[in-house]
Amino acid sequence: AQRVTQPEKLLSVFKGAPVELKCNYSYSGSPELFWYVQYSRQRLQLLLRHISRESIKGFTADLNKGETSFHLKKPFAQEEDSAMYYCALSGLGGTSYGKLTFGQGTILTVHP
Amino acid sequence: ETGVTQSPTHLIKTRGQQVTLRCSSQSGHNTVSWYQQALGQGPQFIFQYYREEENGRGNFPPRFSGLQFPNYSSELNVNALELDDSALYLCASSLRATGRVYGYTFGSGTRLTVV
Repeated sequence: AQRVTQPEKLLSVFKGAPVELKCNYSYSGSPELFWYVQYSRQRLQLLLRHISRESIKGFTADLNKGETSFHLKKPFAQEEDSAMYYCALSGLGGTSYGKLTFGQGTILTVHP
Repeated sequence: ETGVTQSPTHLIKTRGQQVTLRCSSQSGHNTVSWYQQALGQGPQFIFQYYREEENGRGNFPPRFSGLQFPNYSSELNVNALELDDSALYLCASSLRATGRVYGYTFGSGTRLTVV
């Protein structure tokens, strides 16, 4: 079974502070990991996926297969980063192909 | 390029009724997935359609069913509605090609309330 855990429901930081949103997963095989973001009153949108290894809006995430983690990081948080963040996993074959399993989400609030 | 559109945006139904939700895929996408998002929870996978056939299903009973049409649009049908079916239903389209999935794009969702 595939599972994604985001241990923090709420995370508050001040503008300019570093931020790390935690994500742990369980999956028997090689998964594909994603971070999705949902800003207030907007639809869910892809922030980044681990295979692309790119940085979006200053966010990066490294897949750590040993610790089965995919934490999202940004060195200097901005107020516009305040949103709901979801970590998600997809299998790369069989019935898991293209199926996203989401974590519960973390609400990030960046204070001025 | 149009995104994923869902209709209706809001819906109120009575317990025991049936409901049909609709989704138009993003242009160029050939796969549609449906998710249920209860309040305060992450989206949960219901099922996926590829080439007009169900291709993967989550832990949902058979009263949740779907269709994908030749133009890649899709419907989600729920029979015998229960109060716990109240949720935001999300549609996502993607392109499956050469063994990978590209461009996973979500719609704004349909808010279903069962009373």
